[in-house]
Amino acid sequence: SYVLTQPPSVSVAPGKTATIPCGGDNIGSKSVHWYQQKPGRAPVLVMYYDSDRPSGIPERYSGSKSGNTATLTITRVAAGDEADFYCQVWDSSTDHARVFGGGTKLTVL
Amino acid sequence: QVQLVQSGAEVKKPGASAKVSCEASGYTFVNYDINWVRQASGQGLEWLGWLNPNTKTTGSPQKFQGRVTISWNTSINTAYMELASLTSDDSAVYFCARGGFYGSGTYPFDVWGQGTKVTVAS
Repeated sequence: SYVLTQPPSVSVAPGKTATIPCGGDNIGSKSVHWYQQKPGRAPVLVMYYDSDRPSGIPERYSGSKSGNTATLTITRVAAGDEADFYCQVWDSSTDHARVFGGGTKLTVL
Repeated sequence: QVQLVQSGAEVKKPGASAKVSCEASGYTFVNYDINWVRQASGQGLEWLGWLNPNTKTTGSPQKFQGRVTISWNTSINTAYMELASLTSDDSAVYFCARGGFYGSGTYPFDVWGQGTKVTVAS
């Protein structure tokens, strides 16, 4: 089955830039989505189709892909950005599986 | 506005089944898939399966096949997920999420329900 790999944690100082990677074999051929989840809340879509931002998501959030890694980038990080972030793809070859990465806890120092 | 509203928390004994509902509003129910995702305490997101109410098809990963039943009632815009033979490992928050516009697997989960906590305890 397809696997997406994320680091368990990323820490960044306020005002700096956070980069959250998501690695997967041949991820360049897949559409990557990103979700933000705060404690006790449902996940929220923050990036879709690699680099499209839903309405209401700040321009500070951006997405990209290079090689076998997709990346969510958050510039000018603020305390309110602290959350868990998950990447997700559709694996058409395995029971039409929707696959999530293990999640990355973003800590604002 | 578009929203998914789930049923309330449940406490079940080991071996029992739990059935969670997800009522959709604000959009045409049959035009989008409904997916089910769970999250154990302190853990990540795990996909349980999907339904396409337009083509009347469902699917789930091999891990849950035979234990998960996904159904729906188009007349009341509601989807259901039933998980059988519960163990303590099934204690989690269960979410429904809208995805799959016209069945597209690449479509994101753009709307989520509030979550339903299922606790399995003797």
